[in-house]
Amino acid sequence: DIQMTQSPSTLSASVGDRVTITCRASQSISRWLAWYQHKPGKAPKLLIYEASSLESGVPSRFSGSGSGTEFTLTISSLQPDDSATYFCQHYNGYPYTFGQGTKLEIK
Amino acid sequence: EVQLLESGGGLVQPGGSLRLSCAASGFTFSNYAMSWVRQAPGKGLEWVSVISGDGYTTLYADSVKGRFTISRDNSENMLFLQLNSLRAEDAAVYHCTKTVGYCSGTCYKYLQDWGQGTLVTVSS
Repeated sequence: DIQMTQSPSTLSASVGDRVTITCRASQSISRWLAWYQHKPGKAPKLLIYEASSLESGVPSRFSGSGSGTEFTLTISSLQPDDSATYFCQHYNGYPYTFGQGTKLEIK
Repeated sequence: EVQLLESGGGLVQPGGSLRLSCAASGFTFSNYAMSWVRQAPGKGLEWVSVISGDGYTTLYADSVKGRFTISRDNSENMLFLQLNSLRAEDAAVYHCTKTVGYCSGTCYKYLQDWGQGTLVTVSS
């Protein structure tokens, strides 16, 4: 199975900061990567698919980049509502696997 | 608006069974594959199973193969997951997800919409 490694595991930043989360795959997954936002007690929300495509309705401050084995999720100007856990997931064939998550706290 | 509402979770003893349901609305259910994803307490997300839109193709994670069965009723817009021979490590919140993308030999499908989940607790 493809292993997905996210870093950092926790992150604390201030409103207005630029934030970057990294996801590394154990083998090349081309651009078959998605990013999700998960708040406690709520349904996870798709942010980015195919590494850099912004899901409809997601604010443009979210962006994704990368290909192969290295990927990043960037929030250009952090907002209070962005406090959540962020997961990456590869979909380069089953079984799909997820990163362990990055918990983002707003200072 | 897509809505996915899971139900059927609860407390079950090790070795027991449970049937999870997911009621879907807001999209043409039969046109989409559907998946189950779970999250154990304090752990990350784990993909569990997927079923094609017509219900004929199913896949499972190795951790649940032979114990869990995914199915769907397209006439009722319902997705199901039968959990048998439950173990402590199966305790988790189970989410149903609308799965989009395509298959060409390999399947490239991401999880576009998620339900809030239903909690399964396995304990004696």
